Amino acid sequence: EPEVTQTPSHQVTQMGQEVILRCVPISNHLYFYWYRQILGQKVEFLVSFYNNEISEKSEIFDDQFSVERPDGSNFTLKIRSTKLEDSAMYFCASRGQEDTQYFGPGTRLTVL
Amino acid sequence: AQSVAQPEDQVNVAEGNPLTVKCTYSVSGNPYLFWYVQYPNRGLQFLLKYITGDNLVKGSYGFEAEFNKSQTSFHLKKPSALVSDSALYFCAVRHSGSARQLTFGSGTQLTVLP
Repeated sequence: EPEVTQTPSHQVTQMGQEVILRCVPISNHLYFYWYRQILGQKVEFLVSFYNNEISEKSEIFDDQFSVERPDGSNFTLKIRSTKLEDSAMYFCASRGQEDTQYFGPGTRLTVL
Repeated sequence: AQSVAQPEDQVNVAEGNPLTVKCTYSVSGNPYLFWYVQYPNRGLQFLLKYITGDNLVKGSYGFEAEFNKSQTSFHLKKPSALVSDSALYFCAVRHSGSARQLTFGSGTQLTVLP
């Protein structure tokens, strides 16, 4: 069964450094998402991406964040200058024409 | 704005007993509701959804959910709980815009006791 994959599973970085989180959505899906979950808190929407552009973003998704689909398979989330409060689990999701979003296993980002 | 509430942080149930995990929603327009499950150190797994049609929705692993419009609820149920059902359960509502992003509830930790 097709699934969303994410790399790395765990990323440790120093405050102020740039990180890139990678996702491979399900191959025939057209809509892509990033969510995050700070430890012990609810899952929060960050951004959605369709047709090579951002279709919606939350207040969390400020200028430090960017997304890209550099080729036909990968979908990336870049954080330009990480802060301590960016430490969280980041989930990628994708969906086709129907309404169900399928989530990847997540990348745990730890900012020191 | 679309929102969901999960009033219980923790639900404990004995193995073999029926379980219910509660969710209420607040939406403008027709609700599109989802349940996901999260096992420790894992991603979110889709269980079931309500878009339209029958109020009783059947999903994966024997779970079902009952949509109740008058009570604005979408409770997750299972007739006979298994220890392996122990996990964190999230209710979510889909936004009505073209992006269709999800807003999640705060989650309910289900513990099934042997």
